[in-house]
Amino acid sequence: GIQVEQSPPDLILQEGANSTLRCNFSDSVNNLQWFHQNPWGQLINLFYIPSGTKQNGRLSATTVATERYSLLYISSSQTTDSGVYFCAVERKNTGGFKTIFGAGTRLFVKA
Amino acid sequence: DTAVSQTPKYLVTQMGNDKSIKCEQNLGHDTMYWYKQDSKKFLKIMFSYNNKELIINETVPNRFSPKSPDKAHLNLHINSLELGDSAVYFCASSQPRRGASIQYFGAGTRLSVL
Repeated sequence: GIQVEQSPPDLILQEGANSTLRCNFSDSVNNLQWFHQNPWGQLINLFYIPSGTKQNGRLSATTVATERYSLLYISSSQTTDSGVYFCAVERKNTGGFKTIFGAGTRLFVKA
Repeated sequence: DTAVSQTPKYLVTQMGNDKSIKCEQNLGHDTMYWYKQDSKKFLKIMFSYNNKELIINETVPNRFSPKSPDKAHLNLHINSLELGDSAVYFCASSQPRRGASIQYFGAGTRLSVL
């Protein structure tokens, strides 16, 4: 099956720093999403980005589908950015679309 | 008004018991999912329903039985609970557009089997 690899697995930042999270996938996909899981466990969709670039405030994401990777940029990080960032891809399967999550990048932003 | 709501939020039970987790979405979505997140935070899809019909059924023990009485509800019943079932279970929903779309997650149900 398709493999989804995220890097780095762990990241510690000083507040105000910028960072780039990467997601590599092993086969073509129909969709890619980035999620943030906050320290209370809630999963929030950040971007729905099968290809191209999107921006939302201090966050932006780029997916290069032909090269099978996506990047999530966090600028001017804040302590509230702490949590786990997941990349999830969707691929057509018999009967429907199957979602496969990467293992996540654990981010801690220090004040 | 919560878009995807799960109950209960916490569930502590003994091995061998049967338990259910309920999920409701008020987004008008056609597709609903159950995911399991283990202690290492790894998320894996268990089931996916589209308009009350099962479309994805991963290699999940048949002690787990999803039921969708209508497209706004997807419940998960677990028989003969085992220690390894301890995890956080997430319900999600989406409205497929050309096959794939944004998924909205519930707050999760933390199941502890003693």
